[in-house]
Amino acid sequence: GAVVSQHPSRVICKSGTSVKIECRSLDFQATTMFWYRQFPKQSLMLMATSNEGSKATYEQGVEKDKFLINHASLTLSTLTVTSAHPEDSSFYICSALRGLSYNEQFFGPGTRLTVL
Amino acid sequence: SQELEQSPQSLIVQEGKNLTINCTSSKTLYGLYWYKQKYGEGLIFLMMLQKGGEEKSHEKITAKLDEKKQQSSLHITASQPSHAGIYLCGADERGAQKLVFGQGTRLTINP
Repeated sequence: GAVVSQHPSRVICKSGTSVKIECRSLDFQATTMFWYRQFPKQSLMLMATSNEGSKATYEQGVEKDKFLINHASLTLSTLTVTSAHPEDSSFYICSALRGLSYNEQFFGPGTRLTVL
Repeated sequence: SQELEQSPQSLIVQEGKNLTINCTSSKTLYGLYWYKQKYGEGLIFLMMLQKGGEEKSHEKITAKLDEKKQQSSLHITASQPSHAGIYLCGADERGAQKLVFGQGTRLTINP
């Protein structure tokens, strides 16, 4: 089956620093990747849609300058949380689309970010 | 925008019992997806439903989409500890090219 990895799985950082999270499709090429945020006991909220070679499309209310997304290749997308604050602490999940249908969307294991 | 409401939000059942989780949409569903998530992990795709009245099964899990395509149910027969986790429904939001998710149902199986 298709595998999507995320790195790191957990990160703790100080307030004001920047954190980069990588999302890789290991055995397929993904023209589209998605970044989600999940709060405890809540659903996944789509943050942005990332297409290879073009700028990411951000959902309403998501700050583009705060959450920088780069989709440099067909197998790698990165999310950088800039000048992180405690309220950015959350579980971030990426997914990669292998085909055209959402049943071909494969999710990474997630990254838990804690900002002190 | 489309909204999905799942019920119940949490469920505790005895091992071996049957259970049902519901997902209700504010708009007609064009594609309904069921996922399972273990705490602190990513989502695993279970099933996709598209047609009104459609029903799919995999092992002991059956998912249905009603005729009006606004409600789906996920039924687990003879639950096992391995079924424990968070179940989320997701819908293909037409025109927006994205999935929206319900808030999830946390399932606990007691031995």
